[in-house]
Amino acid sequence: DAKTTQPNSMESNEEEPVHLPCNHSTISGTDYIHWYRQLPSQGPEYVIHGLTSNVNNRMASLAIAEDRKSSTLILHRATLRDAAVYYCILSFYKLSFGAGTTVTVRA
Amino acid sequence: NAGVTQTPKFQVLKTGQSMTLQCAQDMNHNSMYWYRQDPGMGLRLIYYSASEGTTDKGEVPNGYNVSRLNKREFSLRLESAAPSQTSVYFCASSETVNNSPLHFGNGTRLTVT
Repeated sequence: DAKTTQPNSMESNEEEPVHLPCNHSTISGTDYIHWYRQLPSQGPEYVIHGLTSNVNNRMASLAIAEDRKSSTLILHRATLRDAAVYYCILSFYKLSFGAGTTVTVRA
Repeated sequence: NAGVTQTPKFQVLKTGQSMTLQCAQDMNHNSMYWYRQDPGMGLRLIYYSASEGTTDKGEVPNGYNVSRLNKREFSLRLESAAPSQTSVYFCASSETVNNSPLHFGNGTRLTVT
C-alpha cells in the first residue's frame, strides 16, 4: 500500500504563500491524492483532492507532478486561521493518516 | 445539515468495562470509517465500511468491533476497555471510497482508567 512522506513542520508569514510538499513514490494508478487539515481540538477538514491534473478550489491548489510521485498543496495567502496540521493521504479507506506537517503562520 | 454526528462527546471507563460509540451521517454516504488519534499523532484507521452490509479491518482493529446498522449508522464497540484504548475517536463518511472527500465528526474523547 502506498504511503506518503511529509516534512514535520513549516513556517510562513501571514499573507504569503505556503507550499506543502508530499512524496508518494509508490502511488498506484488508481490512488487519488487527498489533503486534509486539522485545527487544534477539532476533527480533520477536507481541503482538496486530485488524480492527475492540478486542482483548484476556494481553499487551496493542488499541484501534481507529471509522474505522480509527488504533489504540493499551495495555500495562496496564508492567514492565522490556516495554522493547522496538514495531512497528505492516498487511499484513505485502507491506510491511516501519517503525522502530517504542522504549519505555523506568523502575524 | 448536521453532517456526521458522534455520541457521546466524552466518556470515562474503568478497565474491563464495555461501551459503544455511536456515529450517524445524514449525507446519504455509502462509506463510513472509524479512526483513533493518540496525542501528537495522526489518525489510525480502526475499521471501515465501504458500503451498507460490509465491514473491513483497518490498521488497528484489535480490541474493537463494528456494526454497520444501516446506511446512516456505524457503531464502534469496545468489549473490554483497556488503558491503551484511551484516545480520541473520530467517525467519518464519504460518498464512495477513494474518490470522494471524507467528512469527519467532532470526535469522542475516551479515557480508560
